[in-house]
Amino acid sequence: KQEVTQIPAALSVPEGENLVLNCSFTDSAIYNLQWFRQDPGKGLTSLLLIQSSQREQTSGRLNASLDKSSGRSTLYIAASQPGDSATYLCAVRFSNDYKLSFGAGTTVTVRA
Amino acid sequence: SAVISQKPSRDICQRGTSLTIQCQVDSQVTMMFWYRQQPGQSLTLIATANQGSEATYESGFVIDKFPISRPNLTFSTLTVSNLSPEDSSIYLCSVAGRVTEANTEAFFGQGTRLTVV
Repeated sequence: KQEVTQIPAALSVPEGENLVLNCSFTDSAIYNLQWFRQDPGKGLTSLLLIQSSQREQTSGRLNASLDKSSGRSTLYIAASQPGDSATYLCAVRFSNDYKLSFGAGTTVTVRA
Repeated sequence: SAVISQKPSRDICQRGTSLTIQCQVDSQVTMMFWYRQQPGQSLTLIATANQGSEATYESGFVIDKFPISRPNLTFSTLTVSNLSPEDSSIYLCSVAGRVTEANTEAFFGQGTRLTVV
């Protein structure tokens, strides 16, 4: 069974600290991996998409790495701000039908 | 990025009734999906909405409970039928594979928060 796991489930840091969010998946034969942000009661906002041929993607303060051989991806958020407080979801596309398998998410709180 | 309009954003419904959720995309897309997010949990795929044919449902989801339509490449509806309190969730529309681009990024609507009383 293809599974996606996110650790930790929750994270609280003071403003200015760097955030490190982890995602692991059971099958290294992936098409791509996407990181999303979800605010309470809202939909998902796509943050970064990493294709299977890529090792990392960057957007502003966000950087995501991908290591297919070990089945891991890490999302780094530099110099965290209170506005970064949200749940971050990792989703993996294992097949060519565009379906995504989601991790349970990491809920981040950045304290001012 | 694709712009997705999902309506309604929230609703409170009586047991035994139905709710239909609409998803409109600003560009033609190959794939449209419906997900459910139960309170405190991650997303679970309900079905793939296929244009002009019956939707493809995931294990545990059936057409009688979650009928889906997709008349064209930009629009889909999900109906949640015979509502019970266990159906209280956020329902999300997702699209991927815009027809005019090779981009495979997935995008989501803002979700519909359903409360059944």
